[in-house]
Amino acid sequence: QQKVQQSPESLSVPEGGMASLNCTSSDRNFQYFWWYRQHSGEGPKALMSIFSDGDKKEGRFTAHLNKASLHVSLHIRDSQPSDSALYFCAVSGNNNAPRFGAGTKLSVKP
Amino acid sequence: AQTIHQWPVAEIKAVGSPLSLGCTIKGKSSPNLYWYWQATGGTLQQLFYSITVGQVESVVQLNLSASRPKDDQFILSTEKLLLSHSGFYLCAWKQNTLYFGAGTRLSVL
Repeated sequence: QQKVQQSPESLSVPEGGMASLNCTSSDRNFQYFWWYRQHSGEGPKALMSIFSDGDKKEGRFTAHLNKASLHVSLHIRDSQPSDSALYFCAVSGNNNAPRFGAGTKLSVKP
Repeated sequence: AQTIHQWPVAEIKAVGSPLSLGCTIKGKSSPNLYWYWQATGGTLQQLFYSITVGQVESVVQLNLSASRPKDDQFILSTEKLLLSHSGFYLCAWKQNTLYFGAGTRLSVL
């Protein structure tokens, strides 16, 4: 079965610092990588998607995709306590529901 | 704008009792609908999906069933709860990405 692997499992950064999350897929037929964020007790919300090699920036969030290695990373600059959450990477095909990784728990310490 | 509503917000149920969870989507015609289950702090496991009224596909077998009685409604149920059914249940609809509801927290004791 195709897998989506995320690392690290948990991450702690100081307020104002940079958080870097990683994700690798074994599915070469993917269409998009997605990043979702889930605050405690809430449903996940999509942050951004990426499907082209290189960087995609949205505010403080930058995703980087390397298609050859099927690796995507998410970098959060100037991290805020409100960024503390569970971050999921997901890989979606054209019509299939996304397949999720196990998640990275991010804690931003004031 | 589309809205997704799940009910109830939380349930505490006894092992062996029945369960029914609901999800309603407004503002979207014929949505693709999904049920996910999440253990505390865990990954999102897809349970069911439906692309049209009356049609539901099962993804994993967890002694649960789902139905889509109306275009905007998706129901998750079981006749006998197990301890392993505890967790967070999320309904979602898809348009490019998944849009999740606020979830139902289920505790089976």
